[in-house]
This record gives sequence, structure tokens and C-alpha cells, in this order.
Amino acid sequence: DTEVTQTPKHLVMGMTNKKSLKCEQHMGHRAMYWYKQKAKKPPELMFVYSYEKLSINESVPSRFSPECPNSSLLNLHLHALQPEDSALYLCASSNRTLGELFFGEGSRLTVL
Amino acid sequence: QKEVEQNSGPLSVPEGAIASLNCTYSDRGSQSFFWYRQYSGKSPELIMFIYSNGDKEDGRFTAQLNKASQYVSLLIRDSQPSDSATYLCAVKGYGQNFVFGPGTRLSVLP
Repeated sequence: DTEVTQTPKHLVMGMTNKKSLKCEQHMGHRAMYWYKQKAKKPPELMFVYSYEKLSINESVPSRFSPECPNSSLLNLHLHALQPEDSALYLCASSNRTLGELFFGEGSRLTVL
Repeated sequence: QKEVEQNSGPLSVPEGAIASLNCTYSDRGSQSFFWYRQYSGKSPELIMFIYSNGDKEDGRFTAQLNKASQYVSLLIRDSQPSDSATYLCAVKGYGQNFVFGPGTRLSVLP
């Protein structure tokens, strides 16, 4: 069982909608990540939060807005997305000392 | 630009054979090395990590690291059809960023 929980597992939205993806971990990890993955491609880093502060933003368009309300939660707010944003969005967390990245099951996003 | 390369696939091996997956990286400051398995439509699953030069074995899996050659590999012994998946090599230096290779798709034929 994954210890990183993502909701929803599937999301279909129109280009004018506002929606959010949510991620939760209870492993005490202090680094949390959002990745985007297109079919047959490796995960592509979007954002990293370290100790609840945004530490890496890989030049992601502003229609994606991350939020880290506390050390266990990570949100990704979506607004005015494009069809090319359709992808699997992966949340992950890491124990800074050991370094392994643990992924959630992902949220499959379709933008119509 | 930090880069991670993997041998291009798909790689096909017969059931029971050894599958060998290779990965090279460009950043000499890299500290941690990971192998993830990803089934189609699923999220990546960590199967091995290695920090020191040499071999690390876990069941049917062996990870090998050679920092001088900037090379890390994964051997899967007694390959099973259930091992058919995409294998992602990931490399981490100081800081929080993980760099992923493009992945190698492995097909184990019954």
C-alpha cells in the first residue's frame, strides 16, 4: 500500500474550470513534490516543497498553482488548463536524509 | 544540464533469463541512485537504491554502481513475465532534485 495518497484518481475538466489535486503523506517526510508525466515519458518535475516552503519551481505556467498547507498536505490548484496539460500528475515525498522518492498512485487528468 | 541516459528499448528477454538495464549520468556530484519500476498506467515504484560503489543485492535484483564511470545498472535474475514494465533510473545530488532517465521498457517473454 502506498503511503502517499492522492485524490482524485481521475479528473476530467473543461478549459474554464477550476479544480484541485490533493496529496497527503504521513511518513514525516519534509520534502514533497509534484511531477507531471505524459505517456511513454519519464516524470517531469514541476514543484518541490521543503519544510513547507517552495524550493523548486521548474518554470511551470501560472495556470498551475501549488500550495503546501502543512507538512503532510500538498495541493495543486488548476485553472484555465489546456488540452496539452492532460497527463498523469504524481505527488511524491522524500526523507531528506535517505533520499528515496515515494510516489502516490497519481491523478489522471483529462482537459477537454 | 544534468542528464541521465538509459539504454534504449524495448528490451526483450525470455522467461528465466537475466535482464540487464543500464544507466549513465553526467553529474559527478550525484550521491544517490535509484531504480523504479513502472507498469503501464501506474505510478513508479521504488525497487532498488544504491549509494556506494559496488553491488547491492535484494532478492532477484542486483544494483551495481561505478561512480568513476558514472554508471549504474540493474540486473534482474530469473526474469518473470510480471517483470515486464518500464524501468526508470533516477539520480540525486545534493538538494532535493531527482533527475530521471527516459526509461527502458522491458518485455519478458513466456
